[in-house]
Amino acid sequence: TQLLEQSPQFLSIQEGENLTVYCNSSSVFSSLQWYRQEPGEGPVLLVTVVTGGEVKKLKRLTFQFGDARKDSSLHITAAQPGDTGLYLCAASMDSNYQLIWGAGTKLIIKP
Amino acid sequence: DSGVTQTPKHLITATGQRVTLRCSPRSGDLSVYWYQQSLDQGLQFLIQYYNGEERAKGNILERFSAQQFPDLHSELNLSSLELGDSALYFCASSVAGGRTDTQYFGPGTRLTVL
Repeated sequence: TQLLEQSPQFLSIQEGENLTVYCNSSSVFSSLQWYRQEPGEGPVLLVTVVTGGEVKKLKRLTFQFGDARKDSSLHITAAQPGDTGLYLCAASMDSNYQLIWGAGTKLIIKP
Repeated sequence: DSGVTQTPKHLITATGQRVTLRCSPRSGDLSVYWYQQSLDQGLQFLIQYYNGEERAKGNILERFSAQQFPDLHSELNLSSLELGDSALYFCASSVAGGRTDTQYFGPGTRLTVL
């Protein structure tokens, strides 16, 4: 059973469109991170959110941590081909140091 | 370039064999993590070390073992290899191994077991 569910698993859209991907759980987390991974490379951290209801913006990317700290979303405005990649969420609990990872959303932006 | 180095980049071996993957963390980072990523799947956390000591253990098989040396580099040993062990193995490092620390990932070692 996946503790962190990411949806959709796969998304292919045209350049210029907007999109939202989700990371959901029934557990409460102390913090949540979003990473992006390009083919053949390791994941790269995009953002860390720690407060329920927190919203962070990184250029065209908007990250939100749910009020109850059980879910998160990543919204991309006017997607570009350079946004193509695997988006992974990873969350931590107060009880241990281990990050729990979602299976990822594979995003393809077509020119 | 994350500053984390992993060797070798590619490894092809046969079932039943044993291999060692090596990781050098970023300068100044005390914590090292090992992950396994199978084709088109997310990351599976294997194990974490902090300053030479094991800090957290994930879904690491008994056939796998790891250690972090005094110079902070780490090795992941995989033995009695099976076809299903074929995957990308990533090492990551962070400054202090805290829950919200940024983990910097290496380029990975692609292991193919034939």
